[in-house]
Amino acid sequence: DAGVIQSPRHEVTEMGQEVTLRCKPISGHNSLFWYRQTMMRGLELLIYFNNNVPIDDSGMPEDRFSAKMPNASFSTLKIQPSEPRDSAVYFCASSRTVGNSPLHFGNGTRLTVT
Amino acid sequence: TQLLEQSPQFLSIQEGENLTVYCNSSSVFSSLQWYRQEPGEGPVLLVTVVTGGEVKKLKRLTFQFGDARKDSSLHITAAQPGDTGLYLCAGAPGNQFYFGTGTSLTVIP
Repeated sequence: DAGVIQSPRHEVTEMGQEVTLRCKPISGHNSLFWYRQTMMRGLELLIYFNNNVPIDDSGMPEDRFSAKMPNASFSTLKIQPSEPRDSAVYFCASSRTVGNSPLHFGNGTRLTVT
Repeated sequence: TQLLEQSPQFLSIQEGENLTVYCNSSSVFSSLQWYRQEPGEGPVLLVTVVTGGEVKKLKRLTFQFGDARKDSSLHITAAQPGDTGLYLCAGAPGNQFYFGTGTSLTVIP
């Protein structure tokens, strides 16, 4: 079990640039979650997928944010255009099902927008 | 507005001391989980509680779910430096988990 794999680990970009974060969930897990963590707001749920279908994207802050899951083994979170206030650590997590199943987190992508 | 409030926000104690951290909400949860997060890593699940009043023990850690399933506590006995980290509670009012504000614990050798 390789765990949830996120890339890149660190991303530094300039305001206005497009940023794409990547996630490979644990094989066999049907649910995938994107979270954002900051000191001020803690860990916020952005969007989650079940069986590759977006179920709830109410946490996505603005239209600048979009997420896709083209297949069971890959998801992306895109920010276009990026802004300094998007600087945070972005986590991807997967679980076998929704509900009480444990969330397995990746090690996150630390995004800095200058 | 935070769905789950944790207290204290920061806690620094000496090795061997006991401590309790709290997770409170006005919402009822079908289940509640506790996670620990270390710097540079994602949160790792410690326990899931489902039944109101439930108590679970994990070595020196004791977790309790409130009778009304709105709150929870984590008690650590004889804290060790390895317990240092950010403790997060997460509640599921529906199908997805929302995380609390976190308690950052430092255990000084």
